[in-house]
Amino acid sequence: DTGVSQDPRHKITKRGQNVTFRCDPISEHNRLYWYRQTLGQGPEFLTYFQNEAQLEKSRLLSDRFSAERPKGSFSTLEIQRTEQGDSAMYLCASTRTGTDYEQYFGPGTRLTVT
Amino acid sequence: SQQGEEDPQALSIQEGENATMNCSYKTSINNLQWYRQNSGRGLVHLILIRSNEREKHSGRLRVTLDTSKKSSSLLITASRAADTASYFCATVDTGNQFYFGTGTSLTVIP
Repeated sequence: DTGVSQDPRHKITKRGQNVTFRCDPISEHNRLYWYRQTLGQGPEFLTYFQNEAQLEKSRLLSDRFSAERPKGSFSTLEIQRTEQGDSAMYLCASTRTGTDYEQYFGPGTRLTVT
Repeated sequence: SQQGEEDPQALSIQEGENATMNCSYKTSINNLQWYRQNSGRGLVHLILIRSNEREKHSGRLRVTLDTSKKSSSLLITASRAADTASYFCATVDTGNQFYFGTGTSLTVIP
């Protein structure tokens, strides 16, 4: 078990471009969460999956954002037509199904939109 | 929007002193968790307290929970320079939704 991994660690893109991030959770974890974190703030929930099913999406997740977890293993988060306001750290976390479990976070992907 | 609010926003102490940070929240919870984040890194889980528990210890950490006041506190005893980090509380509701607070930035001066 190597923990939660995210790729890439850093991404610089120009406004208007599309970007895709990947998250590989801990293998036995059914739940996978995506968060966005800006400087000086806590993680803000974006969406989460139970296996391959996307169970909830935040109102923060505009139609430019889409997430998938096709086989219930890794997940991707795509941002289309990026804007400067999308610049943030994107964090992925996984956890077991059930109550009273902690989340295990990946190192994050830092996105800079120029 | 974030449910939790940590207080203070920033805390600076000398090594060896105790650090106390507080978290207030708004709605019913299943449990409350505290996480630590070093600059530019992911969050690391520290401790979990269930809604029917009032106090919990883990090493140098002590967490209290008052559900009537919707508040929690994290005490780090005998602080070390390596404890310098941001600390976040996360409330977990009955739908297993996690809500993170705004964080307390702790600086421990050697």
